[in-house]
Amino acid sequence: SQTIHQWPATLVQPVGSPLSLECTVEGTSNPNLYWYRQAAGRGLQLLFYSVGIGQISSEVPQNLSASRPQDRQFILSSKKLLLSDSGFYLCAWLSKGTSVYEQYFGPGTRLTVT
Amino acid sequence: GDSVTQMEGPVTLSEEAFLTINCTYTATGYPSLFWYVQYPGEGLQLLLKATKADDKGSNKGFEATYRKETTSFHLEKGSVQVSDSAVYFCALSQGGGSEKLVFGKGTKLTVNP
Repeated sequence: SQTIHQWPATLVQPVGSPLSLECTVEGTSNPNLYWYRQAAGRGLQLLFYSVGIGQISSEVPQNLSASRPQDRQFILSSKKLLLSDSGFYLCAWLSKGTSVYEQYFGPGTRLTVT
Repeated sequence: GDSVTQMEGPVTLSEEAFLTINCTYTATGYPSLFWYVQYPGEGLQLLLKATKADDKGSNKGFEATYRKETTSFHLEKGSVQVSDSAVYFCALSQGGGSEKLVFGKGTKLTVNP
């Protein structure tokens, strides 16, 4: 069966510090991968998605970046965090081999920028 | 661009009450439609889906019907339980390879015993 992992689960970082959030998927190959952010009162916003290794599409201009160094690894980074980067970050994967495309979400990382 | 609008919350019901959460969408073509649920402190789980007009998705007593003529996908349950307390998100996907989801803002449901 497939599983998705995110870490860390919670993170408190000062403004201006760097960020690295990691997401890995097990039990599938060549998935689509996604990073979403859930900010208070703003719903879910798609930040980045990837359809393959090294292929990253950005949905929202900001000080975040994403990378996919391996097939089932997706990393969200920032060189300098802003207060507005606080939120709940969710990684998701999708299997391209099914007839109905469903995204499966990880447990999330709660980031507080102070 | 595509968008999803769902009713503002929060919604508070008593156990065994009837639930409706409205969802309408704006999109070209025939998107797939989804309802996701988020329990406190957790990630999202797919609740149900529909891929074409007049399809009815159902799961755990919840139902939603894809209405192309009214561009709607309202979520219903006949008798809610305390364990249904969560945030519910309506979403659409246009496919096309990226399979990106466009979400509504979510509706928080609280069910009291």
